[in-house]
Amino acid sequence: QVQLQESGPGLVKPSETLSLTCTVSGGSISSGSYYWSWIRQPPGKGLEWIGYIYYSGSTYKPSLKSRVTMSADTSKNQFSLKLSSVTAADTAVYYCACAYSSGTFDYWGQGTLVTVSS
Amino acid sequence: DVVMTQSPLSLPVTLGQPASISCRSSQSLVYSDGNTYLNWFQQRPGQSPRRLIYKVSNRDSGVPDRFSGSGSGTDFTLKISRVEAEDVGVYYCMQGTHWPLTFGGGTRVEIK
Repeated sequence: QVQLQESGPGLVKPSETLSLTCTVSGGSISSGSYYWSWIRQPPGKGLEWIGYIYYSGSTYKPSLKSRVTMSADTSKNQFSLKLSSVTAADTAVYYCACAYSSGTFDYWGQGTLVTVSS
Repeated sequence: DVVMTQSPLSLPVTLGQPASISCRSSQSLVYSDGNTYLNWFQQRPGQSPRRLIYKVSNRDSGVPDRFSGSGSGTDFTLKISRVEAEDVGVYYCMQGTHWPLTFGGGTRVEIK
């Protein structure tokens, strides 16, 4: 069973870049078998898919595409999210997740709260 | 984007009684491969979401058989045959057919 763990700063200043890492165990980033996703949930609200990376590329939510970069570090079995020019609206619990196919999420991390505030 | 509309927003249920949650999509969720990528997730208080159902009606391993999914096209339902205390939480439908992937707004299940 794949296990995922998010890590990164819990506080980011407005206009700066949010950077998070997801460490994977029980599965290989380089295997080509999975889609590796980021999803977020503002406090008390619903879920929003941000995007995913896979063996041959990446796909981002169009409304966030100009600010999002996802990448993988196969040597550390990690993948990461960078979200630039953040505002208070980007305050959320950020989850990493993975799946064998692109249209679902089989496994989730526990989530990490990122607050955007000066 | 495909809009996923869930109802009701809140569902108070008596222990042991059935519960039903509706999810409607703004477009058909039938993909070109013939599959319908409609998922249901459960989020218990303070926890990450957990998938219960994928492709409309396939129950994940370890999910009690009191949970069932049904539907087609744009109209889907999650049913709990007999609600137990551990079922309290928010339930989300999510479509994986069209990009971007989108979730419903959630239905909060609580015990009366």
